[in-house]
Amino acid sequence: DVKVTQSSRYLVKRTGEKVFLECVQDMDHENMFWYRQDPGLGLRLIYFSYDVKMKEKGDIPEGYSVSREKKERFSLILESASTNQTSMYLCASSSSGTRALYEQYFGPGTRLTVT
Amino acid sequence: AQKITQTQPGMFVQEKEAVTLDCTYDTSDQSYGLFWYKQPSSGEMIFLIYQGSYDEQNATEGRYSLNFQKARKSANLVISASQLGDSAMYFCAMREANTGGFKTIFGAGTRLFVKA
Repeated sequence: DVKVTQSSRYLVKRTGEKVFLECVQDMDHENMFWYRQDPGLGLRLIYFSYDVKMKEKGDIPEGYSVSREKKERFSLILESASTNQTSMYLCASSSSGTRALYEQYFGPGTRLTVT
Repeated sequence: AQKITQTQPGMFVQEKEAVTLDCTYDTSDQSYGLFWYKQPSSGEMIFLIYQGSYDEQNATEGRYSLNFQKARKSANLVISASQLGDSAMYFCAMREANTGGFKTIFGAGTRLFVKA
């Protein structure tokens, strides 16, 4: 089974703190994604990466950065957390090729609260 | 412009009955994929079913089927013989091939409650 793990299920941080959310996948997938999920808005893509050290902005990259130093690990960084970044964060991965068009595997999510 | 619309924030269905969750989409791309995901209260997103824009037949996966009406740009999910474990949030999503398949657009979701 494909496994995507995220470092924390719940996280509470203070405004202005630097926050790292870690995601690891064990299926040698080329592509990795970070989404945030908010009620009534569904999931929105923050950043994605299609290779090591490669990254592309999604729909809502402002206030976030990412790092992919190893194929299996994709980190989301909040340089200075703000209360409007309180949300559920979901990581996903997929292989390349035609299956990438429909098969994304998701982690369990990290519920981040910024106070 | 919103590209995926799920007009039912919440729905109830009696156990063992069928239920249809609505999804409409908007795209000018000819090649795209449509998906449904289930998110139980535990939080993980579970892939349910996929329909390609060029697929002529509606996709089916066990108790799930996707009612694809291309001209109407709708991709409704039908769950037959609902079970209590089907209670969850359901998201409709689309990927357009012109984005390399990397960008997925999600609807706001429909929360399904299955009554015993």
